[in-house]
Amino acid sequence: QVHLVQSGTEVKKPGASVKVSCQASGYSFTGYFMYWVRQAPGHGLEWMGRINPNNGGKNFAQAFQGRVTLTMDRSNSTAYMELSGLRSDDTAIYYCARGITVLDYWGPGTLVIVSS
Amino acid sequence: DLQMTQSPSSLSASVGDRVTITCRASQGTGIYLAWFQQKPGRPPKLLIYAASKLHSGVPSRFSGSGSGTDFTLTISSLQSEDVATYYCQRYETAPFTFGPGTKVDLK
Repeated sequence: QVHLVQSGTEVKKPGASVKVSCQASGYSFTGYFMYWVRQAPGHGLEWMGRINPNNGGKNFAQAFQGRVTLTMDRSNSTAYMELSGLRSDDTAIYYCARGITVLDYWGPGTLVIVSS
Repeated sequence: DLQMTQSPSSLSASVGDRVTITCRASQGTGIYLAWFQQKPGRPPKLLIYAASKLHSGVPSRFSGSGSGTDFTLTISSLQSEDVATYYCQRYETAPFTFGPGTKVDLK
């Protein structure tokens, strides 16, 4: 059974960075991309980027180019998303989701609060 | 980036009603279009992929159609548990943009 377990709530000050983890189980980690999607309070879904655990290849939405770092640790089937230069409008739930192209399983989300 | 639009942005319907949601892509995306359902406080769930294929476990009252730039999600007979926000997403090439969502509630 596919499971994606994400790290817990983070509270950060403006200008700081946050690193969110997503540990996968129940499937071959290197067989699927790991995607990152965020949702600000009361808003819709925003596609951030994806990483290919097989070869490390990445794609990013233009809005996040240069500010998001996607990494992975194949040894423990974990993907990471680090967002730098945090602003108040980065307050959101950050989801990881696996997929080849279609995002078929999602993690529960990690709440990141940016506040001074 | 390619843009996705959805209409309506919200709708109210009665149990048993047929509900139709439209999604439009600013450029053609073939059949690389998925639909998601999101209930409050929960992550999105995949309903349909490849424009018309039902994801495993999704009730048959959900269906999708379309290709190119215009797509439709239909709920043939609305149930109370279908109250949610529905998003379309293109996935032909990165970035895989989402539509703004359609909120469905009961009349």
